[in-house]
Amino acid sequence: KQEVTQIPAALSVPEGENLVLNCSFTDSAIYNLQWFRQDPGKGLTSLLLIQSSQREQTSGRLNASLDKSSGRSTLYIAASQPGDSATYLCAATGGATNKLIFGTGTLLAVQP
Amino acid sequence: GAVVSQHPSRVICKSGTSVKIECRSLDFQATTMFWYRQFPKKSLMLMATSNEGSKATYEQGVEKDKFLINHASLTLSTLTVTSAHPEDSSFYICSAIWTEQFFGPGTRLTVL
Repeated sequence: KQEVTQIPAALSVPEGENLVLNCSFTDSAIYNLQWFRQDPGKGLTSLLLIQSSQREQTSGRLNASLDKSSGRSTLYIAASQPGDSATYLCAATGGATNKLIFGTGTLLAVQP
Repeated sequence: GAVVSQHPSRVICKSGTSVKIECRSLDFQATTMFWYRQFPKKSLMLMATSNEGSKATYEQGVEKDKFLINHASLTLSTLTVTSAHPEDSSFYICSAIWTEQFFGPGTRLTVL
């Protein structure tokens, strides 16, 4: 059974700092891995999707990496801004079921 | 990008009543939709997979008679919480598959 965990659970950084969020998964037979952002009381916004054959994806100040062999993914946020404050969730998709197994989330606060 | 809507966004009901939540794919057809539940400060837990024209597939531990799912068309899935109780209070989020999973904005259910 796939289990996805995220470290740290919460993170507070000053504005402008670069940061890394970590995601670990127990079953390396994933179809893809996705990073989402969730604002309080809101739905999910997809940030980056990495296919199992890829090692990283980039979008603006965001870079996500995937290492299937070690069961890890990281989300790198460059030059953080207060508007980046949110909960970040990673999710792994296994096989052909398209089921997303979500991590525990990291609550990020960027202080102005 | 693809848009998924949910209605209502918030609902408050009395214990013992039933509540229906709608999930619509607005600009694409989805044979498969998913329903998730999220407790406060927790991650998303998959409840069931909704397949158009067939019975939903429920995850282990989810009561199918409690959470009725109907996927009568390629753009609409409904989740009905029957005989709701305070412990059913939660944030319910749906998603629909097109090129990837697209998420609705969520429905906050409060059972008094």
